[in-house]
Amino acid sequence: DIQMTQSPSSLSASVGDRVTITCQASQDISNYLNWYQQKSGKAPKLLIYDGSNLETGVPSRFSGSGSGTDFTFTISSLQPEDIATYYCQQYDNLPITFGQGTRLEIK
Amino acid sequence: QVQLQESGPGLVKPSQTLSLTCNVSGGSISSGFYYCSWIRQTAGKGLEWIGRIYTSGSTNYNPSLKSRVSISIDTSKNQFSLKLSSVTAADTAVYYCAREYQLLSTDVFDIWGPGTMVTVSS
Repeated sequence: DIQMTQSPSSLSASVGDRVTITCQASQDISNYLNWYQQKSGKAPKLLIYDGSNLETGVPSRFSGSGSGTDFTFTISSLQPEDIATYYCQQYDNLPITFGQGTRLEIK
Repeated sequence: QVQLQESGPGLVKPSQTLSLTCNVSGGSISSGFYYCSWIRQTAGKGLEWIGRIYTSGSTNYNPSLKSRVSISIDTSKNQFSLKLSSVTAADTAVYYCAREYQLLSTDVFDIWGPGTMVTVSS
């Protein structure tokens, strides 16, 4: 299985801050990586697909980059509604695997 | 607008079989480039992909669960189902059904059900 390692596991930031989360794959996955947002008690929601493509309707403050084994997810200006846990997910190889999540809190 | 909804018992006894159904509304389960997938979430292991089924009936399972998992589809009822046998407390989780959209090199879980909590306990 491809292991996906996110860091940090939790993060506290202020409204307006730039927030960055990293995801490292245990092997080369090209750009076969997606990012999801999960708010408390809800199902995950797709934000970024194919490493860097913004899903329709998702605010442009969210972005993704990277390829190979190292990926970055960025919120350019943190908003109160962005409080959630964020997950990366690879689909290069079965089984599909997810990162362990990054919990984002407002400082 | 396509929506998914999981249903099934919230409590299952150890060693028994967990059975869940995902009802698809707002669109045909047979249309487009979609897999019907099951994913579960536990506090300890996070999000875990269980497996998926294509409308043709072909399946893929997570090797960690393969010996205990079966996913089926009923296109006439616009629903798909999960069976997980010989459950233990470790199978206690929130279970999600999700639509997995594939086109060229893109593969995403773009629509999710709200999830259903299943507890394994006697």
